[in-house]
Amino acid sequence: AQSVTQPDIHITVSEGASLELRCNYSYGATPYLFWYVQSPGQGLQLLLKYFSGDTLVQGIKGFEAEFKRSQSSFNLRKPSVHWSDAAEYFCAVGAPGGADGLTFGKGTHLIIQP
Amino acid sequence: SAVISQKPSRDICQRGTSLTIQCQVDSQVTMMFWYRQQPGQSLTLIATANQGSEATYESGFVIDKFPISRPNLTFSTLTVSNMSPEDSSIYLCSAIIGFRYEQYFGPGTRLTVT
Repeated sequence: AQSVTQPDIHITVSEGASLELRCNYSYGATPYLFWYVQSPGQGLQLLLKYFSGDTLVQGIKGFEAEFKRSQSSFNLRKPSVHWSDAAEYFCAVGAPGGADGLTFGKGTHLIIQP
Repeated sequence: SAVISQKPSRDICQRGTSLTIQCQVDSQVTMMFWYRQQPGQSLTLIATANQGSEATYESGFVIDKFPISRPNLTFSTLTVSNMSPEDSSIYLCSAIIGFRYEQYFGPGTRLTVT
């Protein structure tokens, strides 16, 4: 069965500093990989996705993620965070082909210090 | 991206009653899903809503408790039956639009059972 691990429940970063959120997955093949953000009182917004090809993918709001097959990881990065980035971040996996529901990690709560 | 609406946005219900949540998508839909997000938790897939046929449920979820309908491509309902306080959660519908395999989420329905 597939699973997603986000080892950091909370992360605190100073505004303007760089950010990396970790995500490891367990899946029989290379799954489709996603990062979502959920701001307080807001729905889930898709930040970026990886299906195949270039292992470094760019998303919205200045985020990027790198797929590393050997490490079964899909870590999210941003070079300089803004106070508005404070939110809950979820990594998710789906079956290749994209026709199935997603399995989500437990999420990482990002706190931005002024 | 698509616009996905849910009704109601929130409700407070009494134990033993049922609530039906509606989900409407404004774009061409390939797949629709229902998720549950318990307080402070991640998202868990309840079922895939199949057009014109019975939904496909994940382990731990049953049709008698969570009947789902999808009478056409862009509309689905989820009923939470015989509710107990443990059903207090946010219920979200999602849709894959066209063949981009990106899953978009509705704003969620926040259910409180007293």
